[in-house]
Amino acid sequence: AQSVTQLGSHVSVSEGALVLLRCNYSSSVPPYLFWYVQYPNQGLQLLLKYTTGATLVKGINGFEAEFKKSETSFHLTKPSAHMSDAAEYFCAVWNQAGTALIFGKGTTLSVSS
Amino acid sequence: GAGVSQSPRYKVAKRGQDVALRCDPISGHVSLFWYQQALGQGPEFLTYFQNEAQLDKSGLPSDRFFAERPEGSVSTLKIQRTQQEDSAVYLCASSSPGSSYEQYFGPGTRLTVT
Repeated sequence: AQSVTQLGSHVSVSEGALVLLRCNYSSSVPPYLFWYVQYPNQGLQLLLKYTTGATLVKGINGFEAEFKKSETSFHLTKPSAHMSDAAEYFCAVWNQAGTALIFGKGTTLSVSS
Repeated sequence: GAGVSQSPRYKVAKRGQDVALRCDPISGHVSLFWYQQALGQGPEFLTYFQNEAQLDKSGLPSDRFFAERPEGSVSTLKIQRTQQEDSAVYLCASSSPGSSYEQYFGPGTRLTVT
């Protein structure tokens, strides 16, 4: 069965510091991987996705993620955090049946000035 | 254009009541998904429609949950005889033909069962 594990339910960084949110997946087929962001009382917004091709993918708001098959990882990074990045972040994998996203439990990112 | 909309945004129901949650997908999106997000958790899949056909309902937690999309556009998620454990945010998402995996989410309906 496919699954997603997000290491660290809460990450705190200072404004301007590197953001690193960790995601590991389990999949018996080549995965399609996603990062979503959720602001309070809002739905999920797609940050970036990996389907095929280049393993380093760039998304919105300066975020990027690298698909590493050997490590079964898809960590999200941003070189310099902004206060506006404070939100909940979810990693997800497209299920094998092609009918749903399987989400991790989420990581709350806090940014302090 | 308009995104996915959901109504109501908030719903309070007494235990045992029936509720109906509505989702209006993005125009032209044939795929529609429902997810349940419990407090502090990631969304969990409930059901999937392609046009009016419900192709996957494996995530529905009990036979109290029922979803429909009769004309292939608007969808309704109905929960009968609500229980406290049904309290959650219910998210709807839609996607365009050929890229079902790239989903656009609505703001959700927060259901509180008292």
